Amino acid sequence: QVQLVESGGGVVQPGTSLRLSCAASGFTFSSHGMHWVRQAPGKGLEWVAVIAHDGTNKYYADSVKGRYTISRDNSKTTLYLETNSLRAEDTAVYYCARDLSTGGSYIFDHWGQGTLVTVSS
Amino acid sequence: IQMTQSPSSLSASVGDRVAITCRASQSISGYLNWYQQKPGNAPNLLIYTASNLQTGVPSRFSGSGSGTDFTLTITSLQPEDFATYYCQQAYSTPLTFGGGTKVEIK
Repeated sequence: QVQLVESGGGVVQPGTSLRLSCAASGFTFSSHGMHWVRQAPGKGLEWVAVIAHDGTNKYYADSVKGRYTISRDNSKTTLYLETNSLRAEDTAVYYCARDLSTGGSYIFDHWGQGTLVTVSS
Repeated sequence: IQMTQSPSSLSASVGDRVAITCRASQSISGYLNWYQQKPGNAPNLLIYTASNLQTGVPSRFSGSGSGTDFTLTITSLQPEDFATYYCQQAYSTPLTFGGGTKVEIK
């Protein structure tokens, strides 16, 4: 069965960086686009970024553009999110989610359990 | 593209029919998805492309609409359906979600 397991979250100070990982299994990772979606405590869902199945196309939310970088290693079936210049408003549970297709459907058909990032001094 | 859900919360009883609406700030054709989220859990895909039921989702869930106005309907609400529901436009990036509708027990 499809499994997505995020890791790398933690408590960090404003201005610092963190790399999140999402280990995928149970499906052909290289055939699906992948997304990061976040949820601030007690708030709604916010899409963060998408990467196509082969890593060629990447898109970001305006709120993270220039600070975050999405990447993937298909040989390791792992998705990454490099988060830089973190701000208090980046505090959230970060979910990785599988795209139903190679990357252009923008339908999140499987989700991980999430990893919490807390940005605080 | 801004997505507006209504109501933001509702109270209903087991067996009730419930309708949640989602409005897009511009036409998104049929590129609209619905998710259910229970406390402490990740969201779960219910409906994609406005009206397609995801595999394994009970048939009491249905979706309709196109253009700017969409509806998620739950016929005969069950105890396990009390949760928060989100719509999401899949028309263009940046992808956006509605603010959520919390369905509570009356």
